[in-house]
Formats: sequence, C-alpha cells, structure tokens
Amino acid sequence: QQQVKQSPQSLIVQKGGISIINCAYENTAFDYFPWYQQFPGKGPALLIAIRPDVSEKKEGRFTISFNKSAKQFSLHIMDSQPGDSATYFCAATIISGYSTLTFGKGTMLLVSP
Amino acid sequence: KAGVTQTPRYLIKTRGQQVTLSCSPISGHRSVSWYQQTPGQGLQFLFEYFSETQRNKGNFPGRFSGRQFSNSRSEMNVSTLELGDSALYLCASSRQGPDYNEQFFGPGTRLTVL
Repeated sequence: QQQVKQSPQSLIVQKGGISIINCAYENTAFDYFPWYQQFPGKGPALLIAIRPDVSEKKEGRFTISFNKSAKQFSLHIMDSQPGDSATYFCAATIISGYSTLTFGKGTMLLVSP
Repeated sequence: KAGVTQTPRYLIKTRGQQVTLSCSPISGHRSVSWYQQTPGQGLQFLFEYFSETQRNKGNFPGRFSGRQFSNSRSEMNVSTLELGDSALYLCASSRQGPDYNEQFFGPGTRLTVL
C-alpha cells in the first residue's frame, strides 16, 4: 500500500516558469511533511518541510502548500532555473523520534534554458 | 562538519553472495536509518538504529539485517543476494531530540547483483 502518492512522475518547465509537484497521503497520523531534492550521484537533501498546523510555508523560491482536509500537499518552485533540474521527493513521517520517512516515488524535474 | 559517509560507493556481486555496507553518521548523530532506492519502488525504509538498538524495521525479508556500533557507525548486511536487490542503498543520520530532527543522507552505495 503506497501511503504517499506523488505526481507527476516527470516535469519539463521552461526557465522562469513555475514548477508544481503534488503529493497525497493516506495516514492521518503523519504530522511532518518534508520535501527532498536529489541530484544524480548524490543522496537526497532536505529542501523544505511543513507541519499540518500551517497551510503554507515559503523559503526563497520554494513554497509548500498544505491542505489537511484533503490530505494533500504540494511544492511550488517559482522562477525555475536550470540548476533546479533534479528529482524531488515528498515524504511524510510521524514525529516520534523514530525518524522513519515514507517517501513518494519522486518527480524528475527538467528546467529547460 | 563532515557529512554522512558510506562505503563502498559501488559494489558488484553475484547472486547468492552476501554483502556488507557501512555508514558513518555525522558526528553527534545517534540515529541511523537505512533506505533502499530503486527506479520502480522509489525510496523504501529498511530499518533504524539508535544507541545500538533497532527501533523500527521496514517490510523487507530477513536477508536484510543491520547493526549499530557504540560510536553510532552502522552496517547493513544482505545475505543470499538476489537480482532484485540491485539498488542504491542510502544511509541517513539525525540527532535525537524532543522534536523531529532533519535526516541527513549520505551519497549511497550502488549495489549491482549479477
């Protein structure tokens, strides 16, 4: 059972455009939702994270929107740059100290120059 | 501050063999988690260790095992390798605290089973 569903699988955006990646979760016990960015040959790196008591969080060009009632959250990358080309993973976890992440299957983003 | 290191970076094994992967967490981090990454299944949680104790385990067969040493370094072992075990194995470390702590991932070990 896939607990976190991510879409689209791949995305091509022109430089300067907005990239949008969506995720939906099933387990209502999840209470922390991070997004990770992964470049080829590297491990995932935390990009931005949100808790369900907040509907939106912005850090630079990256914004997470969170809809608790719909059990959905999304990543928006404003003014997308070629350097943003990477695979993005949404994840969810329960804050219990056990640090177990449930990941979406990833979105491969290509920002064309 | 040095990041999470994993050794070796690449491994080629044949079916039926066993393999041991190593992970050194960031200094001061006592929690180490292991994940398997494949194109088809994405990132899947294997197990998590804290203070040499396995606290959580994912849905993987018993061929997958791990341990953690007193210096927080961790190893995972896969016995009787199968073709489907070919994957990128990622280790992540985090501090222990009252709140969720960011997991820092290593670069991974790319395992190829022939």
